[in-house]
Amino acid sequence: EVQLLESGGGFVQPGESVTLSCVGSGFIYSNFAMSWVRQAPGKGLEWISSVSGSGGSTYYVDSMKARFTISRNNSANTVFLQLDTLTAEDTATYYCARVAGRRVFYALDVWGRGTSLTVAS
Amino acid sequence: DIPMTQSPVSLSASAGDRVTISCRAPHILNGRLAWYQHKSGEPPKLLIYSASSLRSGVPSRFSGSGSGTDYNLTINGLQPEDVATYFCQKYNVGPMTFGQGTKVDLK
Repeated sequence: EVQLLESGGGFVQPGESVTLSCVGSGFIYSNFAMSWVRQAPGKGLEWISSVSGSGGSTYYVDSMKARFTISRNNSANTVFLQLDTLTAEDTATYYCARVAGRRVFYALDVWGRGTSLTVAS
Repeated sequence: DIPMTQSPVSLSASAGDRVTISCRAPHILNGRLAWYQHKSGEPPKLLIYSASSLRSGVPSRFSGSGSGTDYNLTINGLQPEDVATYFCQKYNVGPMTFGQGTKVDLK
């Protein structure tokens, strides 16, 4: 069964950093680009970033490019999202998702259940 | 980033009704648009990709149409299990922006 499992969320204080992880199973991880998407409380879905299957190409939404870093370790079937200088506006459920097919920009066909991050003092 | 414009924001319909949700892109997408269903407490679920291709396992009452900048998701015969929020997403180029979402309820 194809699965994604996120971890790393929790409660953090403003200004701190956190790294989210997403482990995949049931598919050849390096064959697929991966993405991170978030949903703030009461808000819609927001695409954050994508990384190519090799990890050599990364893409971000402009508003988060300065503070977020996506990376992957294909040996461990894991994609990461490092979030720096967190603010209350970063409070959200963070999902990782598999990009269908071999392109970096495509529909997201498999999603994890998400990890919740709360930024508060 | 210019947003995707999705409408309506919410709708209420009876079981068996035909429901249509619209999504307008800021530029031509050449069909590179997906639709997702998102139920509370669950991850989003891909329904439609390439504007009109039904993902395997998704009920045939869901269909997608459109071209250029304007796209629709139609549910033919709304079922109780279809109560959810629906999002469109463009993926022709980054950023892969989502629409604001349409909340679908049963009357």
